[in-house]
Amino acid sequence: AQKITQTQPGMFVQEKEAVTLDCTYDTSDPSYGLFWYKQPSSGEMIFLIYQGSYDQQNATEGRYSLNFQKARKSANLVISASQLGDSAMYFCAMRVVYSGAGSYQLTFGKGTKLSVIP
Amino acid sequence: ETGVTQTPRHLVMGMTNKKSLKCEQHLGHNAMYWYKQSAKKPLELMFVYNFKEQTENNSVPSRFSPECPNSSHLFLHLHTLQPEDSALYLCASSQGDEQYFGPGTRLTVT
Repeated sequence: AQKITQTQPGMFVQEKEAVTLDCTYDTSDPSYGLFWYKQPSSGEMIFLIYQGSYDQQNATEGRYSLNFQKARKSANLVISASQLGDSAMYFCAMRVVYSGAGSYQLTFGKGTKLSVIP
Repeated sequence: ETGVTQTPRHLVMGMTNKKSLKCEQHLGHNAMYWYKQSAKKPLELMFVYNFKEQTENNSVPSRFSPECPNSSHLFLHLHTLQPEDSALYLCASSQGDEQYFGPGTRLTVT
């Protein structure tokens, strides 16, 4: 069975500094995808970044980058130049089961609460 | 604004009430999902619809009844809920690698 582990319940970072949020995963499926989502206090889950298991390069999206270490089964999110608006819950998720064309199941971790300090 | 809307945003209902949650996506996606997010627990997948057909039901109690009349709309009908069903209910849609979420409905069962 697939599993996502986020070991940091809460993190603090100074504004303008970089921060790394940890995520490890467990699956025996050779084909999978890894996602990071941001959830502000409003509740909406905002897609940040995606990494496929066969992607050769680490994914980047603006200030977000995913440090993918396949052998260690880790997919850490790096946020550069933190901003006050980055304060939120961050969830790591993994897609394994492919239910059909365009649909799949996501398994989520418990999340990390990031607080950016001015 | 992700293109996935949910109504209502907040709902308080008694255990004997019947209510429905609505989700609409404007992205042309074929798959839609219901998730439940309880306090201090990971998101739990409830139902998956692909091209209006239900493809997954993650052992959800029958007091939750989904309906997908077309690829753009998804409903979750609620009846005789329990206080432990109080949670944030999130709808999502996908086509390809990204799954887009709506803002959620905060449900409180009294």
